[in-house]
Amino acid sequence: DIQLTQSPSFLSASVGDRVTFTCRASQDISNYLAWYQQKPGKAPKLLIYAASTLQSGVPSGFSGSGSGTEFTLTISSLRPEDFATYYCQQLHSYPLTFGGGTKVEI
Amino acid sequence: QVLLQESGPGLVKPSETLSLTCTVSNYSISSGYYWGWFRQPPGKGLEWIGSIYHSGSTNYNPSLKTPVTMSLDKSKNQFSLRLRSVTAADTAVYYCASQGPSSAADYWGQGTLVTVSS
Repeated sequence: DIQLTQSPSFLSASVGDRVTFTCRASQDISNYLAWYQQKPGKAPKLLIYAASTLQSGVPSGFSGSGSGTEFTLTISSLRPEDFATYYCQQLHSYPLTFGGGTKVEI
Repeated sequence: QVLLQESGPGLVKPSETLSLTCTVSNYSISSGYYWGWFRQPPGKGLEWIGSIYHSGSTNYNPSLKTPVTMSLDKSKNQFSLRLRSVTAADTAVYYCASQGPSSAADYWGQGTLVTVSS
């Protein structure tokens, strides 16, 4: 199975901050990576797929980059509604796997 | 947009079968896409359970210790999940989702908590 390691696990930040977090894959997954945002008690929301393609309706302040084994998600300016947990998921091969998540806290 | 809604019992006894159904609106499951099941134990991360293609072919997560079966009911525009011989470790919020062309889960149900307990 492909393992995904997200770092950091927790991130303390303030409104307006630019934040970046990382997802590392245990093997080359090309650009077969998605990012999700999840708020407490809610279903995950797809933000980015194919490593860097913004899902329709997602604010442009979110961006993704990377290929191979190293990927990043950047929020250019944190808004209050962005405080949540973020997960990466590899779509390269079965079984589909998720990273452990990065929780963004105030 | 595609709407999904999970339904099924919220409490299942150990060793019994967990059965959930996902009803899809605003899109025919016969038209395409994969349809997936995911779960999240309380306070933990996300886990992919498996996916079923509109043709009926399936892919399951071999890491699940519980036997998994997925099926489609095209007449009702639904797809279903069955986990046999569940244990307390199968207690989780279960989500159904559509998986678009990239296979990423683009639309999700609201999730349903299933507790395995006697």
